[in-house]
Amino acid sequence: EDQVTQSPEALRLQEGESSSLNCSYTVSGLRGLFWYRQDPGKGPEFLFTLYSAGEEKEKERLKATLTKKESFLHITAPKPEDSATYLCAVRGGSEKLVFGKGMKLTVNP
Amino acid sequence: DGGITQSPKYLFRKEGQNVTLSCEQNLNHDAMYWYRQDPGQGLRLIYYSQIVNDFQKGDIAEGYSVSREKKESFPLTVTSAQKNPTAFYLCASSIRNQGSYEQYFGPGTRLTVT
Repeated sequence: EDQVTQSPEALRLQEGESSSLNCSYTVSGLRGLFWYRQDPGKGPEFLFTLYSAGEEKEKERLKATLTKKESFLHITAPKPEDSATYLCAVRGGSEKLVFGKGMKLTVNP
Repeated sequence: DGGITQSPKYLFRKEGQNVTLSCEQNLNHDAMYWYRQDPGQGLRLIYYSQIVNDFQKGDIAEGYSVSREKKESFPLTVTSAQKNPTAFYLCASSIRNQGSYEQYFGPGTRLTVT
């Protein structure tokens, strides 16, 4: 059974304090690992797809990396507007995505 | 603008009533999905449809029903058989090309049943 575990469940940072979010996964035949951002009361917003170990993608202050067992979402010099819940999901051999429980990030000014 | 719309944003119903949540997309995506989100839990798949007139049960389909009569529309009915229907419901869609599996989400409908 495909599984995704995100850690930590919640993280508080000061503005400018860089950190990383972890997504550990087990999947039979990875066909994609996905990162989303979700603001309170809204639908998830797509950020990145990673397909193979060693792949990296960047968008503004965010950088996602992938190994055979986990993915990291690195946040460099975060700002208060980066506060949100970040979701990780994987796709294995089926049409379905399996989501982690999410990680709530709070960036204080 | 292309996107996914869900209506209404908030929905209130009495226990024992069926309710239908709307999901429309103009992205020309083949596949559409319904998820349920509860506090402290990940998104859980209710139903999904890869083509018109076909759909499959997800992980928590009991008490729900769907239809896919048009490519653009995938309504979800929450029936009175769903024991705990109060939740945030999310609709998503994706292209079914090889190598492209991203799902794009609508704004969600918050359903409260009392």
